[in-house]
Amino acid sequence: AQTVTQSQPEMSVQEAETVTLSCTYDTSESDYYLFWYKQPPSRQMILVIRQEAYKQQNATENRFSVNFQKAAKSFSLKISDSQLGDAAMYFCAYRSDAGGTSYGKLTFGQGTILTVHP
Amino acid sequence: KAGVTQTPRYLIKTRGQQVTLSCSPISGHRSVSWYQQTPGQGLQFLFEYFSETQRNKGNFPGRFSGRQFSNSRSEMNVSTLELGDSALYLCASSRTSGREQFFGPGTRLTVL
Repeated sequence: AQTVTQSQPEMSVQEAETVTLSCTYDTSESDYYLFWYKQPPSRQMILVIRQEAYKQQNATENRFSVNFQKAAKSFSLKISDSQLGDAAMYFCAYRSDAGGTSYGKLTFGQGTILTVHP
Repeated sequence: KAGVTQTPRYLIKTRGQQVTLSCSPISGHRSVSWYQQTPGQGLQFLFEYFSETQRNKGNFPGRFSGRQFSNSRSEMNVSTLELGDSALYLCASSRTSGREQFFGPGTRLTVL
């Protein structure tokens, strides 16, 4: 079974600074997807960024980028120019591309609470 | 395009009762997944439906069930509610199983 670990329960950053959230995962599969989701106090889960395992190039979405290290099974999220609206719980998630018992299933880490100080 | 909607947003039930939660996916999305979120256990996968068929199920007791209709709307049912069923229930839809999932706002269930 796949597992996802976020070792930082809480992180804080000053507005306009950069912060990196860590995520490691364990899998024996070669084809999968990794995601970062953001959950603000409203509890609405918002997709931040997606990475396909077969792509070597790290995904970027505006101020958000990832450092995907497949051999190390590491998937960190970097937020540049942090804004007050970035404050939220961030979840790293894994999805297999194998089908079967993996259909529609995201495996989540425990989350990291990000606080942004003005 | 409208997002994923869930109804009701809040529910209060007592132990032993049953509850039905509803989820309407994004138009064109045929896969609907359900998750339970609690402070202690985090986010856990309940089940996934695609074209009215349950294709995957998480490790939850049989009291948790679901179904999907021909218009892709999905319902989940919890029978004989227990205090530990108090949680935020999230549904998510995707165009095909395997791509990114888009989440609804959740239903907050409180069992007294």
